Amino acid sequence: GAVVSQHPSRVICKSGTSVKIECRSLDFQATTMFWYRQFPKQSLMLMATSNEGSKATYEQGVEKDKFLINHASLTLSTLTVTSAHPEDSSFYICSARDSSRGPGGYTFGSGTRLTVV
Amino acid sequence: AQSVTQLDSQVPVFEEAPVELRCNYSSSVSVYLFWYVQYPNQGLQLLLKYLSGSTLVKGINGFEAEFNKSQTSFHLRKPSVHISDTAEYFCAVTRLDNAGNMLTFGGGTRLMVKP
Repeated sequence: GAVVSQHPSRVICKSGTSVKIECRSLDFQATTMFWYRQFPKQSLMLMATSNEGSKATYEQGVEKDKFLINHASLTLSTLTVTSAHPEDSSFYICSARDSSRGPGGYTFGSGTRLTVV
Repeated sequence: AQSVTQLDSQVPVFEEAPVELRCNYSSSVSVYLFWYVQYPNQGLQLLLKYLSGSTLVKGINGFEAEFNKSQTSFHLRKPSVHISDTAEYFCAVTRLDNAGNMLTFGGGTRLMVKP
């Protein structure tokens, strides 16, 4: 089945530094990538949607200059948290969709727990 | 816009008992419906989905769900739960008129199976 590899699974960084999270679709082409943020014991909140080769579309309230999304190929998308602060600490999850698989073809990465100290 | 309501934030149940996790949605257009399971510090795994056809959908791990259009519900059921079913469960929808749209999630239900 479709697999999305997300790395790193855990990262601790100092306040003010940047962190990059990668999501790779291993056996399919991710025409669309979704990035979510999840706070403890809460649901997933969509941060942005990106289509391969296009600029990402950010949800209201999400700072595009802080959360940089790159989707340069059909198998790789990255989320870079720039100048991280403790309030950016969260669980980040990517989800890739292959449009050729018809409706409902969403595959999730295993998530990245970011802790900013 | 769509919205999804999971009526129970936590559902405690004893092992081998039946369980129902409730999900109601609101949408101005027709939607596809999904149930996902999340284990601690992991991503989401698809349990089942309703796209069209029979309103009773069977998924993995013995789960099933029934789509009720008149009640705008998509409740998840399992006749006999196991300890290993302890996890967070999310109901989600996406618009039928543009299947490339993002998923809208409910708030989640924590299923706690006790021995």
